[in-house]
Amino acid sequence: GAVVSQHPSWVICKSGTSVKIECRSLDFQATTMFWYRQFPKQSLMLMATSNEGSKATYEQGVEKDKFLINHASLTLSTLTVTSAHPEDSSFYICSAPTGGNYGYTFGSGTRLTVV
Amino acid sequence: KNQVEQSPQSLIILEGKNCTLQCNYTVSPFSNLRWYKQDTGRGPVSLTIMTFSENTKSNGRYTATLDADTKQSSLHITASQLSDSASYICVVIRNTGGFKTIFGAGTRLFVKA
Repeated sequence: GAVVSQHPSWVICKSGTSVKIECRSLDFQATTMFWYRQFPKQSLMLMATSNEGSKATYEQGVEKDKFLINHASLTLSTLTVTSAHPEDSSFYICSAPTGGNYGYTFGSGTRLTVV
Repeated sequence: KNQVEQSPQSLIILEGKNCTLQCNYTVSPFSNLRWYKQDTGRGPVSLTIMTFSENTKSNGRYTATLDADTKQSSLHITASQLSDSASYICVVIRNTGGFKTIFGAGTRLFVKA
């Protein structure tokens, strides 16, 4: 079945540095990738939607200059957390639509800890 | 108020027992409803996907039901196993010219030996 590979699975970084998270669709083309953030014991919150070859669409309240999204190819979307702060520590997950509107495949998630 | 409400928030059951998780939604217009299992520190994995016309769908020990009239869904887990301990998330897709995904807060299930 469709697989979305997400890396890294966890990362610890210092405040002020930037962190890049990658999501690759392994056996299908992902023209769209959704990026979510999940805080402990809470559900997923959509941050932005990336589309191959065009600018990402950000949800209300999400800083586009802080969370840079690039979808340069049909198999790769990246999320860069710039100038990270401890409050950015969270679980970040990507997902791509598969099988029309019936299927979404999620990445395995990235645990970001900013110290 | 969330458009997808799940209950209970958490549940503890003994291994081998059955349980049922509930999902009520107000999302409209409705496209489809999905149940996902999310292990701690992992991405969600799809269990079932149901459209408007489907009432029941099974995936192994997982059986989902959907009543589109009352806008209610349930996920029944039979003969629970320790590995069923996870969060179960109900997701409703709204079709408004484009598809919008609305997540429930999830039910955390703990299966004890």
